[in-house]
Amino acid sequence: DAGVIQSPRHEVTEMGQEVTLRCKPISGHNSLFWYRQTMMRGLELLIYFNNNVPIDDSGMPEDRFSAKMPNASFSTLKIQPSEPRDSAVYFCASSPGTSGGALDTQYFGPGTRLTVL
Amino acid sequence: DAKTTQPNSMESNEEEPVHLPCNHSTISGTDYIHWYRQLPSQGPEYVIHGLTSNVNNRMASLAIAEDRKSSTLILHRATLRDAAVYYCILRSDGYNNNDMRFGAGTRLTVKP
Repeated sequence: DAGVIQSPRHEVTEMGQEVTLRCKPISGHNSLFWYRQTMMRGLELLIYFNNNVPIDDSGMPEDRFSAKMPNASFSTLKIQPSEPRDSAVYFCASSPGTSGGALDTQYFGPGTRLTVL
Repeated sequence: DAKTTQPNSMESNEEEPVHLPCNHSTISGTDYIHWYRQLPSQGPEYVIHGLTSNVNNRMASLAIAEDRKSSTLILHRATLRDAAVYYCILRSDGYNNNDMRFGAGTRLTVKP
């Protein structure tokens, strides 16, 4: 099993540019999560999907952020326009999503380190 | 959501046991206690979880207080590879309760 795959692993961009982060969940998993980690705020949940449907996007910081899951094997997190304060490590995670929330182990990808200059 | 409190950091010597505490005094009856850890430059990974009884797996043991207001993650013989940030998280049961809220965690340093 390849695990959760994220691309790119590192992204450096300039303020104002559009950034797209990609995630391929573990095959057969029904839930997908996007997190952001910074030194100041730690690990924050941005949004999660069940069966490709967004369930909770209350963690998305503002309208510049959007996430999509067009099918069960692919999701994107887009930032447009990007700002220096968006610099962080972005993690994608997936879970089977079949046994109920409290018993549903999440499997994390290696993360994308984003630097906005 | 019920909150957890953990020490910011702990140190251990290699091959000695480590006890990582977590306080969760406002835990509800349907909250499960989960532990994840994050190795340097990696995403978090699942360690163990429990509800009321103590639990053991190949990675660690979880000891849960009788009143469930605290728990302890036990690494029986710490190795250098166990150096990580350990997160104690409460998760409520429910089909759409899939989100997890991470706190600051405990940074474990293992000395050779």
